[in-house]
Amino acid sequence: EIVLTQSPTTMAASPGEKITITCSANSSISSNYLHWYQQKPGFSPKLLIYRTSNLASGVPVRFSGSGSGTSYSLTIGTMEAEDVATYYCQQGSSIPRTFGGGTKLEIK
Amino acid sequence: QIQLVQSGPELKKPGETVKISCKASGYTFTNYGMNWVKQAPGKGFKWMGWINTYTGEPTYADDFKGRFAFSLETSANTAYLQIYNLKNEDTATYFCARGTAYVWGAGTTVTVSS
Repeated sequence: EIVLTQSPTTMAASPGEKITITCSANSSISSNYLHWYQQKPGFSPKLLIYRTSNLASGVPVRFSGSGSGTSYSLTIGTMEAEDVATYYCQQGSSIPRTFGGGTKLEIK
Repeated sequence: QIQLVQSGPELKKPGETVKISCKASGYTFTNYGMNWVKQAPGKGFKWMGWINTYTGEPTYADDFKGRFAFSLETSANTAYLQIYNLKNEDTATYFCARGTAYVWGAGTTVTVSS
């Protein structure tokens, strides 16, 4: 089973600050199968980035993704209040599909 | 637009059975597999498995073999999750999620309590 470890688990950022969340896998994943989701309290997750670096429809351009192999990251170019949420990475490279434990992002 | 509409919350007793529905619209149902994902209270996501909506073949994650069943009503663009012999630890929100980069339903909360 591929284990995805996200860091940090929680963080607080000021408006306008650049944010980077990392997702580390215990074995290599094809970049075609690493995706990121945003979940706001009381809502279902929303696809943010698919296949490592592709922005899902309607997602602001301040979000970006990168990575390869066992190391991936999600970046928010400039933090906004509406970005308060928990972010999850997910791999579809092997079964069982697995998720990172989440990064809770708060605003300072 | 793509929508996955799930059935409403359920309150069940241990040992009972629950069936959750996920009705899809806005795309060709049989073109994308349907996944089921569990989120226990305060926990992360656990992938339960998926069903091939074209062939009807289900695949279950190891922890979800035995009491769990995925099924389809293709004519109604609907996927189902059935959980038999409910246990307290089945208390969770269950999501259907389309495809490989998931589009998610709103979730169905199942509470198991005597």
